[in-house]
Amino acid sequence: DIQMTQSPSSLSASVGDRVTITCRASQSISNYLNWYQQKPGKAPKLLIYDASTLQSGVPSRFSGSGSGTDFTLTIRSLQPEDFATYYCQQSYSTLYSFGQGTKLEIK
Amino acid sequence: EVQLVESGGGLVQPGGSLRLSCAVSGISFTDQYLDWVRQAPGKGLEWVGRSRNKANSYTADYAASVKGRFTISRDESRSSLHLQLNSLKTEDTAVYYCVRDVYGSLRIDYWGQGTLVIVSS
Repeated sequence: DIQMTQSPSSLSASVGDRVTITCRASQSISNYLNWYQQKPGKAPKLLIYDASTLQSGVPSRFSGSGSGTDFTLTIRSLQPEDFATYYCQQSYSTLYSFGQGTKLEIK
Repeated sequence: EVQLVESGGGLVQPGGSLRLSCAVSGISFTDQYLDWVRQAPGKGLEWVGRSRNKANSYTADYAASVKGRFTISRDESRSSLHLQLNSLKTEDTAVYYCVRDVYGSLRIDYWGQGTLVIVSS
């Protein structure tokens, strides 16, 4: 099974900041990496797929990069609505798996 | 508008059974790969299982943690996906989401609102 590890587990930032979340896979997954945002009490929302492709309707302040085992999600100029938990997910293996999540909180 | 609406959650004792349903609308039911993903309270996301589309005979895959206990099925006449949960354990307590897997790409673009299953004595 492919293990996904996110860092940090939690992060405090201010509106307007630039933040980066990292996701590492236990083996190479090419660019088969997706990012989701989840707000309390809500279902997750797809932000980025195939490591760097922005899902339709997602603001351009979100970006993704990486390939192989190391990936990053960057949010440029944080907005109040961006404070949430973020999950990476590998879609390389049919038995796909998620990272443990990164909770982004307001400083 | 695409809608995935789960139902059937509730409180069940360890060793018991439950059947979850997901009503699918706004998309061609037979063309879809549909999965179940769960989230234990305060925890992360875990893939549970998948139902491939009709062209792939609605075959299913399961996570190791539920294989042999959970079964995914479809009712084409009602555009419904089902998850039969047997031999439930306390660690199966979670919100269960019905999700659309984009053409089998293993990325999820539509989620239901979730249904809560609590396994407790």
